[in-house]
Amino acid sequence: AQSVTQPDIHITVSEGASLELRCNYSYGATPYLFWYVQSPGQGLQLLLKYFSGDTLVQGIKGFEAEFKRSQSSFNLRKPSVHWSDAAEYFCAVGAPYNTDKLIFGTGTRLQVFP
Amino acid sequence: DAGVIQSPRHEVTEMGQEVTLRCKPISGHDYLFWYRQTMMRGLELLIYFNNNVPIDDSGMPEDRFSAKMPNASFSTLKIQPSEPRDSAVYFCASSPGGPGHGYTFGSGTRLTVV
Repeated sequence: AQSVTQPDIHITVSEGASLELRCNYSYGATPYLFWYVQSPGQGLQLLLKYFSGDTLVQGIKGFEAEFKRSQSSFNLRKPSVHWSDAAEYFCAVGAPYNTDKLIFGTGTRLQVFP
Repeated sequence: DAGVIQSPRHEVTEMGQEVTLRCKPISGHDYLFWYRQTMMRGLELLIYFNNNVPIDDSGMPEDRFSAKMPNASFSTLKIQPSEPRDSAVYFCASSPGGPGHGYTFGSGTRLTVV
């Protein structure tokens, strides 16, 4: 079965700094990979997804993520963080032809200082 | 499209009372998922439906929880009787297909059982 790990529970960055949130997955083949963002009091919103092809995917709000098969990782990046990016970020993995379910990580809370 | 619609947004009830949470998925989406989110346990999948049929209810915590999907545009999650430990944010999500499509989440129902 697939699994996903987000090693960082909480990250703090200054506004304008670069950001990288880590996500590692476990699955025997190439999974479907997603990043979601949850602002306070809101539901989860899809930032970007990876199925196949180009390993660098672009998402909304200036985010990108890179799939690295050798490291079983799908890290989320942003070159310059804005105060409005403060939220909780979830990585999720889906298993093609195996299950209908996505497995979500435990989330990383991002705090942005002015 | 109005997205996934959940009601109510907030619910406060007394222990022992019946609680019904409602969800309207996006039209055309064949999958509907119910999640519970707490600080301690994160996001937990409770149950999901495909074409109105419950597929996996292994995440339903107890017999006090039940979910129905009488038609493609409506689902309910019922807790009877409710207990304080049921206090959480309950999310509904829908998807047009299998795990490769990702989910669209509603804004959630914050349930407080006193």
